[in-house]
Amino acid sequence: GEDVEQSLFLSVREGDSSVINCTYTDSSSTYLYWYKQEPGAGLQLLTYIFSNMDMKQDQRLTVLLNKKDKHLSLRIADTQTGDSAIYFCAEEKAGNMLTFGGGTRLMVKP
Amino acid sequence: EAGVAQSPRYKIIEKRQSVAFWCNPISGHATLYWYQQILGQGPKLLIQFQNNGVVDDSQLPKDRFSAERLKGVDSTLKIQPAKLEDSAVYLCASSLGQVNEQFFGPGTRLTVL
Repeated sequence: GEDVEQSLFLSVREGDSSVINCTYTDSSSTYLYWYKQEPGAGLQLLTYIFSNMDMKQDQRLTVLLNKKDKHLSLRIADTQTGDSAIYFCAEEKAGNMLTFGGGTRLMVKP
Repeated sequence: EAGVAQSPRYKIIEKRQSVAFWCNPISGHATLYWYQQILGQGPKLLIQFQNNGVVDDSQLPKDRFSAERLKGVDSTLKIQPAKLEDSAVYLCASSLGQVNEQFFGPGTRLTVL
């Protein structure tokens, strides 16, 4: 099975907040990442959090990290139709290698 | 600043044929990665280069896949012979710096018939 797990699908209305969740397995991960993938495109880094932090905010994005439970979440405030995409969390293991989750497809309804 | 370039964007081949993909990373990025992304899944690392040396290729099926980065810049990934289960998008990424921000190319979508 996947080392990093995410729910498959999330649907929200435009203007609402979206929360995408992720669980990981490696407690020694130094950084955890959120990437966005739009149709037919490569992945784009949205944000990252260092493992000794609990929270990081960057404009509409808020990342929460619960290291005890190995749980990571991404909150998107005021979700827009342009936020519709697949969101991947990833943990960094030794040697700067990333292990990605299976992705959460976010659909934003107008 | 130019991004990571990949070619071709699409490739359709029959099983047992050979195929090669090309990647040009962002200028100055020493680290280059090849990922395989099967439909509906997250990317899986195949191989990581640091300049022209291999850092990790533990998930590369070496009986059929090979990759090289001879001059520490461009890289090629080859599959010989291809199997049906190799159908996927092959993503190239490059990175620079301590925080592992990887910049991804658009990918090559391979269909094996």
